Amino acid sequence: GAVVSQHPSWVICKSGTSVKIECRSLDFQATTMFWYRQFPKQSLMLMATSNEGSKATYEQGVEKDKFLINHASLTLSTLTVTSAHPEDSSFYICSARAPKGGTEAFFGQGTRLTVV
Amino acid sequence: GQNIDQPTEMTATEGAIVQINCTYQTSGFNGLFWYQQHAGEAPTFLSYNVLDGLEEKGRFSSFLSRSKGYSYLLLKELQMKDSASYLCAVMDSNYQLIWGAGTKLIIKP
Repeated sequence: GAVVSQHPSWVICKSGTSVKIECRSLDFQATTMFWYRQFPKQSLMLMATSNEGSKATYEQGVEKDKFLINHASLTLSTLTVTSAHPEDSSFYICSARAPKGGTEAFFGQGTRLTVV
Repeated sequence: GQNIDQPTEMTATEGAIVQINCTYQTSGFNGLFWYQQHAGEAPTFLSYNVLDGLEEKGRFSSFLSRSKGYSYLLLKELQMKDSASYLCAVMDSNYQLIWGAGTKLIIKP
């Protein structure tokens, strides 16, 4: 199956700093990537849909100025958590839709963000 | 609104069979997915159903009834490593995945 690589796997940062998370499709071109957040014992919550070459579409309640998404190429999307606060601590996961019109979503490994 | 329902938690015995149900109400339907997620890890794909009926893949099978808005994931010959959360997700008419909250499956020896 297609491979999606997410980096870093975990990060600890100080409150007020910014953190960038990368999501790469390694063996296919992903025109659309999705960013999710998952709090402990809760389901995946879609934050935004990232489309290559255009602005991301954010879900209701997600601050687009705080969670900056860039999808500059067909193989890379980045999520930057700006001015992070402890309540931003969560598990962030990206996924990309399968290539060639496929319907399966392939997930990155996820990033555990802890803001102290 | 769109809604996916599945039990919060289930317990089963090693070697036994367990069925995890999922009911859904969505705006359009372009397939139903089951994913397995171990704690602290990203989900991994298990199955995809878009037509009614049963899809078998080794120890795991998935069933879909579109008229009833219902699916189940059947796990046979349970192993301790099957302890995980199982997520049901439906792709709606906009090709967006709508996720259930997940079913935590606990396997006991």
